[in-house]
Amino acid sequence: DSGVTQTPKHLITATGQRVTLRCSPRSGDLSVYWYQQSLDQGLQFLIQYYNGEERAKGNILERFSAQQFPDLHSELNLSSLELGDSALYFCASSVGTTAFTDTQYFGPGTRLTVL
Amino acid sequence: SQQGEEDPQALSIQEGENATMNCSYKTSINNLQWYRQNSGRGLVHLILIRSNEREKHSGRLRVTLDTSKKSSSLLITASRAADTASYFCATGRSYNTDKLIFGTGTRLQVFP
Repeated sequence: DSGVTQTPKHLITATGQRVTLRCSPRSGDLSVYWYQQSLDQGLQFLIQYYNGEERAKGNILERFSAQQFPDLHSELNLSSLELGDSALYFCASSVGTTAFTDTQYFGPGTRLTVL
Repeated sequence: SQQGEEDPQALSIQEGENATMNCSYKTSINNLQWYRQNSGRGLVHLILIRSNEREKHSGRLRVTLDTSKKSSSLLITASRAADTASYFCATGRSYNTDKLIFGTGTRLQVFP
């Protein structure tokens, strides 16, 4: 158990809908990262927050947004969903700000299916 | 886009054998990490090797890094059925400090 929690585990929804994925980082970690894992694209970095502020942006679509709250939990909002958004969405957390020097601890993921 | 490419894409071995996975990357890096992912679950950090290191050990894991060839290898010795998982390399690029770029992964199957 990494100490990172994600809810829900599974989400099935229809095209055009909007969903919110939630992540609670490990105790003491200030950074939260979001990743998307799909069969054709592999594991793609979406966005990082550090202590409530956006730190780095990856391949995140304009239809997606995220935020980190004062209690450090984070939410990833996906809107106008398309079939191609079906994927596993992972949240990870780390102590510091720098993704490539800190060990990232991954949550169990949310499996999103868009029908 | 992927920074790292793992090779082979899939590997099947018997328990007790050694498993070697390779990772090649395109740009200069500060360090390289290896992660394991059990089917459909979150990734677990295995080991980090810095660009000025050539070899690192952790238990049954041995990682090498050759920055001149832009490649790394992960060796799992005396493999066990529980090692069955996908293994990913991830690189931190020297000119982009805030992203960890994952490779395509090697699927390892260890048969008892």
